Amino acid sequence: DAGVTQSPTHLIKTRGQQVTLRCSPKSGHDTVSWYQQALGQGPQFIFQYYEEEERQRGNFPDRFSGHQFPNYSSELNVNALLLGDSALYLCASSLGGSPYNEQFFGPGTRLTVL
Amino acid sequence: AQKVTQAQTEISVVEKEDVTLDCVYETRDTTYYLFWYKQPPSGELVFLIRRNSFDEQNEISGRYSWNFQKSTSSFNFTITASQVVDSAVYFCALSAYSGAGSYQLTFGKGTKLSVIP
Repeated sequence: DAGVTQSPTHLIKTRGQQVTLRCSPKSGHDTVSWYQQALGQGPQFIFQYYEEEERQRGNFPDRFSGHQFPNYSSELNVNALLLGDSALYLCASSLGGSPYNEQFFGPGTRLTVL
Repeated sequence: AQKVTQAQTEISVVEKEDVTLDCVYETRDTTYYLFWYKQPPSGELVFLIRRNSFDEQNEISGRYSWNFQKSTSSFNFTITASQVVDSAVYFCALSAYSGAGSYQLTFGKGTKLSVIP
């Protein structure tokens, strides 16, 4: 049973560029959440997708957008990259969006913005 | 707004010592959920435990134990007889109502545990 997978593993971009990160949830999960983890910090919630819609959003600018596909996989897009966007981006999947259900995390995508 | 504070940034212990990781949380909600996650150097967060706000029973799982006290808004984690494999960053997290029928998971900044052989 495959867990949460993310691609790519690492990514290097320059300021102003756009990036797309991908996530495939754990089998049977229908909810995907995205987090940004800066070096030495805890993960910060970006947004959550359920039934192909953004259900809730953290305190992130509109440059951060996402999408969920019918197969529950998800993409995170970041436009007009800033140096401060350099971080580990984590995807987590869960079932039904219940606050009690544990979220299973992927290995993350390390984004470096130069 | 929800907040999780892990005051200990880094802890070093010698193998076989016991160690307690502190977590203090803030929320106005009466229904909420608390979690501990482990993040080894590989980066992937690993779920350890969850608790809901109505269940104050302490829990023990092997060498791990958790002490939940609503009166002090704390959810502390103890590792007994620590091992080198316990070396990782540990995060405490709070899931509380964030409006529109949804909950948001808020993490603390983490405590880096180093177990020295």
